[in-house]
Amino acid sequence: DVKVTQSSRYLVKRTGEKVFLECVQDMDHENMFWYRQDPGLGLRLIYFSYDVKMKEKGDIPEGYSVSREKKERFSLILESASTNQTSMYLCASSFSQGVNEQFFGPGTRLTVL
Amino acid sequence: SQKIEQNSEALNIQEGKTATLTCNYTNYSPAYLQWYRQDPGRGPVFLLLIRENEKEKRKERLKVTFDTTLKQSLFHITASQPADSATYLCALDNDYKLSFGAGTTVTVRA
Repeated sequence: DVKVTQSSRYLVKRTGEKVFLECVQDMDHENMFWYRQDPGLGLRLIYFSYDVKMKEKGDIPEGYSVSREKKERFSLILESASTNQTSMYLCASSFSQGVNEQFFGPGTRLTVL
Repeated sequence: SQKIEQNSEALNIQEGKTATLTCNYTNYSPAYLQWYRQDPGRGPVFLLLIRENEKEKRKERLKVTFDTTLKQSLFHITASQPADSATYLCALDNDYKLSFGAGTTVTVRA
C-alpha cells in the first residue's frame, strides 16, 4: 500500500515563526502536492512538484515556499507564520504517467497564535 | 471564473436508501473527474475515476455518472450503511492538477 506520512498531526506556532511541514511518500511517485483545507473552501493547492528540485505554484502560493531535494520528500515552509495560515495542511502524491489518483497523508492541523 | 459546486447542504439519509450527491462545474473542460471520501481528521481517499467519454462507472455500491453537456457528475451510494457516513469530494483534472469541490457531508442513520 502507498503510504504518505506527514511529520506532525498537530502543530502550534506563534506569529512570525518559521514553520516546516514535512511529507514523505514510499511509492516512488514523481508528483507531490501541498494543499490547505478550510471549512467551506475545500482543498486549495499551494504548491506542487513534478520531479526532484522542480516546483510549481498552485492557486494560493503567497506566504509559502517548498523544497524537494529528494524524490520521496516534499517540504512546505511558512517563512513567517501568520494567523490566517491556521489551517489543515494535506500532502499528496501520485504517479506522473496517465491519469492517476492522488494518495493523501493524514494531514497536519496547524494553529498560529 | 472557474467554479466547482457540490451539494451545499449536508445529506442525512436512512440506512438502506440511496444517497445522491451532485458536482457541478463551470469554466472547466475536464478529461476526467474523480471522487474521494474523507473521514473527520483524515486525508481524502480515492474512490472512483470517470473519463469524459464514459457515461457511467460502478464500483460495488457506488455509481458515478458524468455529463459533459450539463457539466455535472452524480455520485450515488446505494443500500447506504452507517459506515458510509463521511464527506465526499469531487475533483476535476485541471491541466495536470486536480481542483476539488468543497465536499458534501453524508450521514446515514441506522
